[in-house]
Amino acid sequence: EVQLLESGGGLAQPGGSLRLSCAASGFTFNNFGMSWVRQTPGKGLEWVSLINAGGDTFYADSGKGRFSISRDNSKNTLSLQLNSLRVDDTAVYYCVGGPDGLAYWGRGTLVTVSS
Amino acid sequence: QTGLTQPPSVSKGLGQTATITCTGKSSNVGNQGAVWLQQIRGHPPKLLSGRNNGRPSGISERFSASRSGNTASLTIADLQPEDEADYYCSAWDSSLWAHVFGTGTRVTVL
Repeated sequence: EVQLLESGGGLAQPGGSLRLSCAASGFTFNNFGMSWVRQTPGKGLEWVSLINAGGDTFYADSGKGRFSISRDNSKNTLSLQLNSLRVDDTAVYYCVGGPDGLAYWGRGTLVTVSS
Repeated sequence: QTGLTQPPSVSKGLGQTATITCTGKSSNVGNQGAVWLQQIRGHPPKLLSGRNNGRPSGISERFSASRSGNTASLTIADLQPEDEADYYCSAWDSSLWAHVFGTGTRVTVL
């Protein structure tokens, strides 16, 4: 059974940092690109960042220069470092990956940015 | 990044057929194809259809996807109460080097 389990969310102050992690199991992690997708409660989906199987990284404009995605294939884990957080970064962050890039989804971790 | 355009809502009767469109550009839907996701309230999204319009294992045959030019479509046949959900399309944009999502469509079964 495929599982993606996010952790690391919580409350951060504007300008602060958080590090999200995702533990993957049930599929060949190193074969697939992995993404972070976020969703503000009651709103739509927004792609945040992607790291492909070869380690190339891509970011949405909203996170360029502030967010950093990485993966550890030896531990089947995906990470997202969130720096210089803003109030509008408040959202549920999903770990996503697998075939077609969006086949497998975690349950998400809530990031709240507030003073 | 600009998104893909979907109708905000679709309402159809029990047993009827609903079709949701997703309009993009040649750099995303037209070139890369689109995937379709279903999100039931309170749950993470679930993949309904891949870029080649194929259904993952376990997805009902009532869901079918197609594409014509820069527009992708999801058709839900024989609508059931459990189909009430938000539906999103998504595609990789080869100009933006980014995933783009549709604006989302809420399906209501009357």
